[in-house]
Amino acid sequence: GQSLEQPSEVTAVEGAIVQINCTYQTSGFYGLSWYQQHDGGAPTFLSYNALDGLEETGRFSSFLSRSDSYGYLLLQELQMKDSASYFCAVENGGFKTIFGAGTRLFVKA
Amino acid sequence: GAVVSQHPSWVICKSGTSVKIECRSLDFQATTMFWYRQFPKQSLMLMATSNEGSKATYEQGVEKDKFLINHASLTLSTLTVTSAHPEDSSFYICSASGSQEAKNIQYFGAGTRLSVL
Repeated sequence: GQSLEQPSEVTAVEGAIVQINCTYQTSGFYGLSWYQQHDGGAPTFLSYNALDGLEETGRFSSFLSRSDSYGYLLLQELQMKDSASYFCAVENGGFKTIFGAGTRLFVKA
Repeated sequence: GAVVSQHPSWVICKSGTSVKIECRSLDFQATTMFWYRQFPKQSLMLMATSNEGSKATYEQGVEKDKFLINHASLTLSTLTVTSAHPEDSSFYICSASGSQEAKNIQYFGAGTRLSVL
């Protein structure tokens, strides 16, 4: 089967750094994406990795290791507004993207 | 950036009625649109994938006669929940891909919260 594993919950304090891991097992792989979703809202795109390595976009960075079927999202200088659910997603070809179950991030003051 | 508009954002209907949800890509032509269903605090469950001008591809377990999808143009896809029942109450989200800027990214609509009484 196809699956993506990520932690269900993570708690961190304002100003800290948090890493959300994602391991995947899919029939195909074109790239790994990360999406943020606040309660009651729609997912918004954060980052996309097609090749191994680190992609940095402001406070957020995403890493991919295709040989390990593993990636992570790194959030720096955490802010209260970062409290949300974060989904990793694999584009596995055939116009389909498979989403992980999501990680709920709680940022405390 | 690419914008996807989804309408309505919230709908309440009686059991047995049909509800149509629209999804429009406002500033790009969406080669592919996706329809998801999401239960509270859970992940996005892909219901179907649609390409303009062709029949939608439904995921296993999704009734195609229950959830009618039409992708009439490169900017519009509709999901019709036919003969809705309380168990169809959920958050439905569409997304679109095909932006020239980023073909691999999905841009999501704001979602439609459906409550069937």
